[in-house]
Amino acid sequence: DAGVTQSPTHLIKTRGQQVTLRCSPKSGHDTVSWYQQALGQGPQFIFQYYEEEERQRGNFPDRFSGHQFPNYSSELNVNALLLGDSALYLCASSWGVGYSNQPQHFGDGTRLSIL
Amino acid sequence: QQQVKQSPQSLIVQKGGISIINCAYENTAFDYFPWYQQFPGKGPALLIAIRPDVSEKKEGRFTISFNKSAKQFSLHIMDSQPGDSATYFCAAVSKVGAQKLVFGQGTRLTINP
Repeated sequence: DAGVTQSPTHLIKTRGQQVTLRCSPKSGHDTVSWYQQALGQGPQFIFQYYEEEERQRGNFPDRFSGHQFPNYSSELNVNALLLGDSALYLCASSWGVGYSNQPQHFGDGTRLSIL
Repeated sequence: QQQVKQSPQSLIVQKGGISIINCAYENTAFDYFPWYQQFPGKGPALLIAIRPDVSEKKEGRFTISFNKSAKQFSLHIMDSQPGDSATYFCAAVSKVGAQKLVFGQGTRLTINP
């Protein structure tokens, strides 16, 4: 039973570039959430996708966008990269929406470094 | 009101001792409280979780204690082992809206052999 998989594991970009990160949810899960984890901090919620729609968004600018595909996999896109976007980007999957007690399972993340 | 405050920031415990990490929240709409364990280079792994209608939940060496009136909850690791050395995050999820995890700042736990 495959868990949450993310690609790539590491990525180096320069300021102003654009990046796309990918996530495949755990088998049986249909909801994908994205989090940003700065070094030494707890993860911060970016947004959540369910039924190919963005359901809720955290306090992140429009440079951060996403997509969910019919097979429940998801992409996170970040445009006009800033030095402050350097972080570990985590994908979490769960089942359904509206159920606060549904466990969310995380992938190992993509480490994004901006030069 | 969306914050979860976690303490201590770092903790050193001797092997076999009890590790205790505390969290507090303000938002009364929070109704699910998971704890995550994160090793370097890895994503957070769900450890144990509790609902506010339960005062304590135990799974193996890990116990969550929950005080609804004080809006506080804590993680106890009994018989702490060097393999427990990791960063621990408490989190909370609101019963309103999406399953958005609100994380504490994390506690770096070191178990000395």
